[in-house]
Amino acid sequence: GAVVSQHPSRVICKSGTSVKIECRSLDFQATTMFWYRQFPKQSLMLMATSNEGSKATYEQGVEKDKFLINHASLTLSTLTVTSAHPEDSSFYICSARPDPQRRYSYEQYFGPGTRLTVT
Amino acid sequence: QKEVEQNSGPLSVPEGAIASLNCTYSDRGSQSFFWYRQYSGKSPELIMFIYSNGDKEDGRFTAQLNKASQYVSLLIRDSQPSDSATYLCAVRGGGGGNKLTFGTGTQLKVEL
Repeated sequence: GAVVSQHPSRVICKSGTSVKIECRSLDFQATTMFWYRQFPKQSLMLMATSNEGSKATYEQGVEKDKFLINHASLTLSTLTVTSAHPEDSSFYICSARPDPQRRYSYEQYFGPGTRLTVT
Repeated sequence: QKEVEQNSGPLSVPEGAIASLNCTYSDRGSQSFFWYRQYSGKSPELIMFIYSNGDKEDGRFTAQLNKASQYVSLLIRDSQPSDSATYLCAVRGGGGGNKLTFGTGTQLKVEL
């Protein structure tokens, strides 16, 4: 149980275009989903926290108009990188936290990540 | 001072030995502590979590927490080459929020 998927796993796009990444919890309902970014040889940096049905909470320094997050259902959150530039190239990872009623609901389950390359 | 600190390594241990990975954190009110394993190019995988002072064992893994010293460690017994990965320490703050703060990770190499 507790499987999280991401799509696509890899994407290459041209500078100036937008890219949408999907994060799905496959066998549980996720009241909260998180989006992280990881540059090579660096740790995970939290970008934003999204709760189903409400606006995402962005971390300091993350542009909310550039990284659009939608958490429309308890099993799906999307991250759209708008007007992507080469410096946005990174490994984007989502995680999902199960419903608080579930045992060990403090755990976060990570998706497999999406490698974004902007040319 | 970083919120969660780890030695980046690499930490090299021979196969069969005990690997000891350490992590310190700055927020004294932190409540929950997690160890994740991350293989190159992959996303993190939860290995263990610990909430209370002391030791918690799960198979070859033991997590140790000392809140007074703001220190959490992970011991891997009978290390295997497949344990070679980066180990990330993550801490959830004491404010009751959901956010995890990650360390930069320690690279472990288990040599034959």
